[in-house]
Amino acid sequence: DAKTTQPNSMESNEEEPVHLPCNHSTISGTDYIHWYRQLPSQGPEYVIHGLTSNVNNRMASLAIAEDRKSSTLILHRATLRDAAVYYCILRDGGGSNYKLTFGKGTLLTVNP
Amino acid sequence: GAGVSQTPSNKVTEKGKYVELRCDPISGHTALYWYRQSLGQGPEFLIYFQGTGAADDSGLPNDRFFAVRPEGSVSTLKIQRTERGDSAVYLCASSFAPQGDEQFFGPGTRLTVL
Repeated sequence: DAKTTQPNSMESNEEEPVHLPCNHSTISGTDYIHWYRQLPSQGPEYVIHGLTSNVNNRMASLAIAEDRKSSTLILHRATLRDAAVYYCILRDGGGSNYKLTFGKGTLLTVNP
Repeated sequence: GAGVSQTPSNKVTEKGKYVELRCDPISGHTALYWYRQSLGQGPEFLIYFQGTGAADDSGLPNDRFFAVRPEGSVSTLKIQRTERGDSAVYLCASSFAPQGDEQFFGPGTRLTVL
């Protein structure tokens, strides 16, 4: 599975936007970029995913670089409930096994 | 609707004992995944079921670990002769189809081997 690189931790203030970066320089043409987050003492939760175009949903936006070697998860207005570990994952859309390969993720701290 | 449930939420056992961890996926979800998460790490894939069959068990660490899903719904992860290194949170996830965009995770079972 292709590997992703994320900062270990980031900090934000409440009600400000947060940009969480992810590098995936060895991404293949069939890899989808998925983001999950894990709140303390909970299982991971799906956030968003995309292939080539930028994506928006109720939780966040995903900006994908034109060469697809990096992406950014955008939380438009951080709240205290957004404090979590955020995982950027490449998932093969062309294979037969859709397991998720997690790294260590980025620990996001939101200050009141 | 109900999400993925896992029982027990916590399990404490002694080294060498046998344990079973249960996962109830979301109704109608055909794909089911088991992951294991050690402290400070991201979840690690163990096994994937499509229906009743294990489509990929490449993540099981050794032959002490086994999982079943006899009716294509509930799954049980079984660990024989537990070791202290097996202590972790065991997570279950399900999705509507294998290629489903979103995996829904349960809260996990925290296993402690003394």
